[in-house]
Amino acid sequence: EVRLVESGGGLVQPGGSLRLSCAASGFTFGDHFMDWVRQAPGKGLEWVSRIRSRSHSYTTEYAASVKGRFTISRDDSQNSLYLQMNSLKAEDTAVYYCARSYSDTYTFILYLDVWGKGTTVTVSS
Amino acid sequence: DIQMTQSPSAMSASVGDRVTITCRASQGISNYLIWFQQKPGKVPKRLIYSVSSLQSGVPSRFSGSGSGTEFTLTINSLEPDDVAVYYCLQHSSYPFTFGGGTKVEIK
Repeated sequence: EVRLVESGGGLVQPGGSLRLSCAASGFTFGDHFMDWVRQAPGKGLEWVSRIRSRSHSYTTEYAASVKGRFTISRDDSQNSLYLQMNSLKAEDTAVYYCARSYSDTYTFILYLDVWGKGTTVTVSS
Repeated sequence: DIQMTQSPSAMSASVGDRVTITCRASQGISNYLIWFQQKPGKVPKRLIYSVSSLQSGVPSRFSGSGSGTEFTLTINSLEPDDVAVYYCLQHSSYPFTFGGGTKVEIK
């Protein structure tokens, strides 16, 4: 079974840091780009970040709202994806989802087709 | 950034009705468009990718169409299980952007 499980969310004060993790199983993690998407309470979806696969040099992309504060990374040996979040703001409060993305083999067939259940980040004093 | 304008933002239709949701991109996005369904309290679920390709396991009453800047999600014969918020996503250029969502309810 293809599965993504996020962890690491919690309550943090403004200006604080948090590291989210996403554990993948049931597919060849290293072949896929991986994305983070978030959803603020009662709001729509917002794409946050992407990390490409090793064959694409692990290059990264960020939304303007998090660039310079968040860092996406991965450990293919552990089938894990991470999001280091620094200088957190109240507007970063959201459920954070990791999602499977593009691969050279499947291109868009398996693109954003599997999401984790999400982990909740609350930034408040 | 590419803006995705989704309409309507909410709608109410009867069981069996045909429902149409539109997403308009601020510039051409080729076929880099995905539709998601999110039921209350649930994780977004991919319905359609590459404008018109149906996700495996998704009922055939869902379909997608469009090109360039205007795209449509159609639900033929609305069912109670289709109550949800529907989002489009463009992945043509960074940052990827979602439409604002369409809340579909049963009349």
